[in-house]
Amino acid sequence: AQSVAQPEDQVNVAEGNPLTVKCTYSVSGNPYLFWYVQYPNRGLQFLLKYITGDNLVKGSYGFEAEFNKSQTSFHLKKPSALVSDSALYFCAVTRGEYGNKLVFGAGTILRVKS
Amino acid sequence: DAGVTQSPTHLIKTRGQQVTLRCSPKSGHDTVSWYQQALGQGPQFIFQYYEEEERQRGNFPDRFSGHQFPNYSSELNVNALLLGDSALYLCASSPGTGSKNIQYFGAGTRLSVL
Repeated sequence: AQSVAQPEDQVNVAEGNPLTVKCTYSVSGNPYLFWYVQYPNRGLQFLLKYITGDNLVKGSYGFEAEFNKSQTSFHLKKPSALVSDSALYFCAVTRGEYGNKLVFGAGTILRVKS
Repeated sequence: DAGVTQSPTHLIKTRGQQVTLRCSPKSGHDTVSWYQQALGQGPQFIFQYYEEEERQRGNFPDRFSGHQFPNYSSELNVNALLLGDSALYLCASSPGTGSKNIQYFGAGTRLSVL
């Protein structure tokens, strides 16, 4: 079975500092990994995905994520946080034979303070 | 280009009632998936429709059923509502069921069961 863990309920960071939101996954075979962001009263917005290739994936709004197969991790990063990045972030996984049925983590609240 | 649209935005029902939620996919998308997001949790996959048939189903009882129309729009029906069905219901669309295909989410329907 597939599963995703987001070990931090909340991450606090000062504006201008780098941010990291952690994600680890469990799936047999090669994973396809996604990050989504959810603002209050809004649906999920796609940020980036890893399918294959370079372990560092660049996405929307300056976000990037690093895939680490040995650590089964897919951490979300941004070099310089903005107050407007404050939101709820979800990591999700699937794999080939499951189509694009996504299994989500519980989410991490990111708070960026000015 | 309209994204994924869902209706209604909010709904209040009582236990035992039935409810229908609606979703129009993003233009060019033929696959619709439904997710349930309980408070403080990540979205949970309910089922997916493609070519007017249910293609995958998550761990939800038969009280949850759906339909996809020839124009690719979809409905989610829940019978015999329970208090535990209170959640944000998210619709996602994609261009096909392939695991590499990004799912785009609507803003959701918030269902409250009293």
